[in-house]
Amino acid sequence: GGIITQTPKFLIGQEGQKLTLKCQQNFNHDTMYWYRQDSGKGLRLIYYSITENDLQKGDLSEGYDASREKKSSFSLTVTSAQKNEMAVFLCASSIQGTGQLYFGEGSKLTVL
Amino acid sequence: GQQVQQSPSSLVLQEGENAELQCNFSSTATQLQWFYQSPGGSLVSLLSNPSGTKHTGRLTSTTVTKERRSSLHISSSQTTDSGTYLCAIEGNNNNAPRFGAGTKLTVKP
Repeated sequence: GGIITQTPKFLIGQEGQKLTLKCQQNFNHDTMYWYRQDSGKGLRLIYYSITENDLQKGDLSEGYDASREKKSSFSLTVTSAQKNEMAVFLCASSIQGTGQLYFGEGSKLTVL
Repeated sequence: GQQVQQSPSSLVLQEGENAELQCNFSSTATQLQWFYQSPGGSLVSLLSNPSGTKHTGRLTSTTVTKERRSSLHISSSQTTDSGTYLCAIEGNNNNAPRFGAGTKLTVKP
């Protein structure tokens, strides 16, 4: 079986700061995703990537950048952290077209 | 874009009772997946069911594609079933799954 590793698990930043979250998967999956989850709510799609060096905007991409440096890794950058960015960011991967998502444990962002 | 609505938003049961969770979506689904999210936050896939009926253990999912709805039935609920249940839909006109807001299930002993 494979695993998705998100780092860091907890990230504390200052308002206005640029912050980066990283995600690694060893499933050898083509597609990777970043979702944001606010407390007590569902997941909202920020960015996804269907192959190395590909980037597709989701429904919540404003204020974020992403980078798919290689097949196994996908990073997300909050370009200027705001107080309302306090949320859990979830990385996932899948084989394209199967709809079968596998998730990491999440990264909790707190902005002071 | 794809809109996903789940109901009820929360549900409280006594142990042993059955649960019925609903997921409605706005566009044709090519993929549909039910997830469980523990109180600690990790997400686990329960069932993939874009059409028809599927069973696994105490779980039964029925998806009626042309009516754009899916249900998840949990029989004989246990306290360990407590958590949030999310459905995710991938359609023809989008290449990434969209999620509903979830149903928070609490099973009391």
